[in-house]
Amino acid sequence: DGGITQSPKYLFRKEGQNVTLSCEQNLNHDAMYWYRQDPGQGLRLIYYSQIVNDFQKGDIAEGYSVSREKKESFPLTVTSAQKNPTAFYLCASSMVAAWGDYEQYFGPGTRLTVT
Amino acid sequence: QQQVKQSPQSLIVQKGGISIINCAYENTAFDYFPWYQQFPGKGPALLIAIRPDVSEKKEGRFTISFNKSAKQFSLHIMDSQPGDSATYFCAASPDSNYQLIWGAGTKLIIKP
Repeated sequence: DGGITQSPKYLFRKEGQNVTLSCEQNLNHDAMYWYRQDPGQGLRLIYYSQIVNDFQKGDIAEGYSVSREKKESFPLTVTSAQKNPTAFYLCASSMVAAWGDYEQYFGPGTRLTVT
Repeated sequence: QQQVKQSPQSLIVQKGGISIINCAYENTAFDYFPWYQQFPGKGPALLIAIRPDVSEKKEGRFTISFNKSAKQFSLHIMDSQPGDSATYFCAASPDSNYQLIWGAGTKLIIKP
């Protein structure tokens, strides 16, 4: 079964702790993305990566960090510097093509609660 | 110029009716316009997408209408069903990169 897995589905942390969210894909996609979604809100891009060992900041990168050491994996660390980390986090991946449809495939999400 | 404006924020439609969600953009470099459907607690999934070389694309009960001169596109759901109740996002992408610029979403409720 091809797809994107995110773990865990629910995550609880104390304020001041760093936490890492896992994202793995077996779709052989080059590009991967992290989004944050707040209740009743749209998707806001945190980081994206188009190739291994390279990644770019999105619109709301402050307080987050990522790595892309393998094509299949794009973990997101929510650091203690993130002021309001409680949210639903979505990982996605897509093909990278010279011309084509850039469908993004999403994982099931991780709901992070920080108290 | 990078924004995609989506309306309405929420929509209630009777079962069997037509649901219409609208999006507008400014950047003429956008040339890929998808609609995603998201159920509560799940990730979004691609519903239907269009390129600006056609004015309409239909897949089952779902139709995208595209007006290039007005820089607007819309999703029409015919014969709306309670199972269509979800949040719908429009998006746009320029051909030069792979990012999607997202609308704010529309929460659709279909009343039985």
